[in-house]
Amino acid sequence: ELKVEQNPLFLSMQEGKNYTIYCNYSTTSDRLYWYRQDPGKSLESLFVLLSNGAVKQEGRLMASLDTKARLSTLHITAAVHDLSATYFCAVENYGGSQGNLIFGKGTKLSVKP
Amino acid sequence: DTEVTQTPKHLVMGMTNKKSLKCEQHMGHRAMYWYKQKAKKPPELMFVYSYEKLSINESVPSRFSPECPNSSLLNLHLHALQPEDSALYLCASSQDHLRVLQETQYFGPGTRLLVL
Repeated sequence: ELKVEQNPLFLSMQEGKNYTIYCNYSTTSDRLYWYRQDPGKSLESLFVLLSNGAVKQEGRLMASLDTKARLSTLHITAAVHDLSATYFCAVENYGGSQGNLIFGKGTKLSVKP
Repeated sequence: DTEVTQTPKHLVMGMTNKKSLKCEQHMGHRAMYWYKQKAKKPPELMFVYSYEKLSINESVPSRFSPECPNSSLLNLHLHALQPEDSALYLCASSQDHLRVLQETQYFGPGTRLLVL
């Protein structure tokens, strides 16, 4: 059974600082997705990582995927308040219900001035 | 246009009511999904439709009944729900079922459901 673990679950950071969110998963998969969710809102797709070594950057966020280590990171550079949200990673499940996404528990990020 | 729309935005219903949630997309996507999200939890997959056929049912109770009238529409019919079914119900779509084409899912704004 595929399990997806994110850490930390809560992250409070100051503006201007850097930090990394980690996403580990338990079984083979080479597709990983990062989403952002603002309170009371839907999920917004941030990154789609489709192969080992994939790295994608958008603004202050950079995501990477190491399929051998079954690890993805979401790195935040020089955080700003607008980045405050909950970030989910999701991994495509190859077994069982193929093609569906298994989500991590989410990391609630709070960026303070 | 990468928009998935959902109606209604909010719904309050009693345990004996029958209601429906609606989802629509005009991106030509052939896979559509229903998720349930409880507060401070990740989304949990309920159903997947691929080419208008139900391809995944994640052991969802029969009081939830999905329907895909055409490739752009997805409904979720609700009957005899329980208070613990109160949640945010999210619809999503993707170009194809994820394993076939390498694309993400696009999520709608959700319907916040309260069962009294």
